[in-house]
Amino acid sequence: RKEVEQDPGPFNVPEGATVAFNCTYSNSASQSFFWYRQDCRKEPKLLMSVYSSGNEDGRFTAQLNRASQYISLLIRDSKLSDSATYLCVVPSLMTTDSWGKLQFGAGTQVVVTP
Amino acid sequence: GAVVSQHPSRVICKSGTSVKIECRSLDFQATTMFWYRQFPKKSLMLMATSNEGSKATYEQGVEKDKFLINHASLTLSTLTVTSAHPEDSSFYICSARDSWGSPPEQFFGPGTRLTVL
Repeated sequence: RKEVEQDPGPFNVPEGATVAFNCTYSNSASQSFFWYRQDCRKEPKLLMSVYSSGNEDGRFTAQLNRASQYISLLIRDSKLSDSATYLCVVPSLMTTDSWGKLQFGAGTQVVVTP
Repeated sequence: GAVVSQHPSRVICKSGTSVKIECRSLDFQATTMFWYRQFPKKSLMLMATSNEGSKATYEQGVEKDKFLINHASLTLSTLTVTSAHPEDSSFYICSARDSWGSPPEQFFGPGTRLTVL
């Protein structure tokens, strides 16, 4: 089983709609999680950090379900500019801090259509 | 936010040549930098952790003699792909940790697309 798994998509979303997708992680002891956004042929950029049950930033909401070992990302009122690949990232527990070695999921592609 | 640059952004080379990629933190000091490789439609895979003033730590399966890493200063790490072959063609991305930032977030460079003919 992979450390971090994501549905590759693509999720085709009409503009203005809501889209949500999950990321499962294998190590139950993981404490912190991150969602990154990656545009085609570009570097990943941090979207949101999740340290407890969840986090909300504007139209983006991340939820953590420890019992089922998954993190979700929900995007409300989707914009065309939200089209991207969303990477779920879980720090390796081989290090003692949250920002050490990062384990990346393969990403979920979201395509927002007019 | 903090800025990390990579140079070159794109390189095309012949098989057997060596390619050097530079990663610079432009407005902060980075004692630790990370080198990743990403194949199309795949996740970023950590290749090695570069520590300023000491040897890099390589991930399992990454040949240290093929991917030479030097982190000579707090703002510069270099990755040299020696004797490159077509299977080394990939998107190489570095990240740098802001040593004094809170939290010490990793900032990613824009990546270097390597094509080996």
